[in-house]
Amino acid sequence: QQQVKQSPQSLIVQKGGISIINCAYENTAFDYFPWYQQFPGKGPALLIAIRPDVSEKKEGRFTISFNKSAKQFSLHIMDSQPGDSATYFCAATFGNEKLTFGTGTRLTIIP
Amino acid sequence: NAGVMQNPRHLVRRRGQEARLRCSPMKGHSHVYWYRQLPEEGLKFMVYLQKENIIDESGMPKERFSAEFPKEGPSILRIQQVVRGDSAAYFCASSSRTTNYGYTFGSGTRLTVV
Repeated sequence: QQQVKQSPQSLIVQKGGISIINCAYENTAFDYFPWYQQFPGKGPALLIAIRPDVSEKKEGRFTISFNKSAKQFSLHIMDSQPGDSATYFCAATFGNEKLTFGTGTRLTIIP
Repeated sequence: NAGVMQNPRHLVRRRGQEARLRCSPMKGHSHVYWYRQLPEEGLKFMVYLQKENIIDESGMPKERFSAEFPKEGPSILRIQQVVRGDSAAYFCASSSRTTNYGYTFGSGTRLTVV
């Protein structure tokens, strides 16, 4: 019930394209859904987050789409750039408690 | 830099030795979380502490692992009698109840057991 499933495991996108990463959760008590970006040798850094009372949140080139009935949420990166190449993790939590992470997506942006 | 500070960044231990990982939370943060990341895997929750209290240790292995967050000083994750399978990156995050959901991660400690 605590799982967060993430796909794909790896993703290659051409520069300027749209990168899409999907996550699904089971626990309906989750009320906060962040996305983290991690570069090699670094800790995860918060990218963008959403609460279940909205269906979409946009910050610059990054958008979260949230489907509460399907228990799914996704990250869209518009106009993908080589600097976006990193590992992305979705996560979910209830209250201010522990984060449950997806297994990660290694994104590579090619010229 | 008032971020989450972890040290050491890299730690090499022989099998059977003890490993001590330190985490100083962001200023004003009184909640600390430890996560473990195995190579090519996601982060797994280990333990959640507040000052002088363990709130949730459901992700901690039952043996050899312990954590503390004393009134003064950093949080410590202690691994006794390390084995090769303990080799991983260990990340600490901190948050404050007054900035709800505001997790900030440190850069991690990479433990290698030889």
